[in-house]
Amino acid sequence: DAKTTQPPSMDCAEGRAANLPCNHSTISGNEYVYWYRQIHSQGPQYIIHGLKNNETNEMASLIITEDRKSSTLILPHATLRDTAVYYCIVRVAGLTGTASKLTFGTGTRLQVTL
Amino acid sequence: EPEVTQTPSHQVTQMGQEVILRCVPISNHLYFYWYRQILGQKVEFLVSFYNNEISEKSEIFDDQFSVERPDGSNFTLKIRSTKLEDSAMYFCASKDGGFADTQYFGPGTRLTVL
Repeated sequence: DAKTTQPPSMDCAEGRAANLPCNHSTISGNEYVYWYRQIHSQGPQYIIHGLKNNETNEMASLIITEDRKSSTLILPHATLRDTAVYYCIVRVAGLTGTASKLTFGTGTRLQVTL
Repeated sequence: EPEVTQTPSHQVTQMGQEVILRCVPISNHLYFYWYRQILGQKVEFLVSFYNNEISEKSEIFDDQFSVERPDGSNFTLKIRSTKLEDSAMYFCASKDGGFADTQYFGPGTRLTVL
């Protein structure tokens, strides 16, 4: 799986958009970008994933650059409950029948403030 | 919304004792995982399980560890003789049979070895 680089920490004011960057310059053509977050000591929570097109769901948007070497997770209106560590993980999507693991880095600690 | 559950939420044990951590994965999921997180460190993969057998295990998952799916709903992690360094949060995760690598995590069991 390709290596990712994320800033160790970021701050965001409540109600503003939080834009979390991830660099994955060695990504391969068949590797997806996944985002998870971990609120305090809870279990990691899946947010979103994408291959090359931008993706949006009820939690966030994922913007992937055209060369796929970096991406940005956008929380459009951050709240205090979005304070968490956000992990960008790049990996080949598993073929049916494979139980591939997730490899977590240190992520970005997002602090949402009033 | 279906979720992964884990029991107990906190387990305190004496060094050398056996512990069993229990997980109930999401009901139609086929792939099961254990991860752990030592306080202040990264989330680390321990083992994956599919079709009633271990698919992959990490270096951490030595002979002291075992996993079992004793019935159609539970997934357990057993540590035969606990050490101080086994103190950590243990997270269970599960994934459906589809192509995506979206794993759903439980809330974790905090294991404290005295």
